[in-house]
Amino acid sequence: EPEVTQTPSHQVTQMGQEVILRCVPISNHLYFYWYRQILGQKVEFLVSFYNNEISEKSEIFDDQFSVERPDGSNFTLKIRSTKLEDSAMYFCASSARLAGGNNEQFFGPGTRLTVL
Amino acid sequence: EDKVVQSPLSLVVHEGDTVTLNCSYEVTNFRSLLWYKQEKKAPTFLFMLTSSGIEKKSGRLSSILDKKELFSILNITATQTGDSAIYLCAGAAGSYQLTFGKGTKLSVIP
Repeated sequence: EPEVTQTPSHQVTQMGQEVILRCVPISNHLYFYWYRQILGQKVEFLVSFYNNEISEKSEIFDDQFSVERPDGSNFTLKIRSTKLEDSAMYFCASSARLAGGNNEQFFGPGTRLTVL
Repeated sequence: EDKVVQSPLSLVVHEGDTVTLNCSYEVTNFRSLLWYKQEKKAPTFLFMLTSSGIEKKSGRLSSILDKKELFSILNITATQTGDSAIYLCAGAAGSYQLTFGKGTKLSVIP
């Protein structure tokens, strides 16, 4: 069964460093998303991406964040200068937007980011 | 601001019990209501509901949506220890971004 994959599973970084989280969405999916979940809190939407551009972003997704689809398979989230409060589990998700609006989002296993 | 509220926040039952998990939502440009099961890491998709009153079933799990009352329930019958998890409810908005509730932590005791 096709699935969303993410690398690395755990990333430890120093405050102020740049990190890139990688995702490979399900191959025939068209919409891509990033969410985060701070330990003990709810899953929060960061950004959605379609047709090589951001379609929606939340207040969390400030200038420190960027997304990219560098090739036909990868979808990345970059945090330019990490802060302690960026420590969280980051989930990538993808969905196939059919004519009927089918938007089941399938989630990857997540990358746990720890900022020291 | 979009909001999804789940209740109860936690629930402890014995194997074989039936449970009902609740989800109310206020989502601008609402499109659909989704239920996920989160065990260790990634939320695993369970159901997507777009129409009122139509029950979706998968084995011992079922769910229904009431778009008038802005409410959904997830039922699990004959619970098993493997059902222990956090169940997440999420509302999908016009751009398909999901707004999640805090989840219901279900613990099934043998």
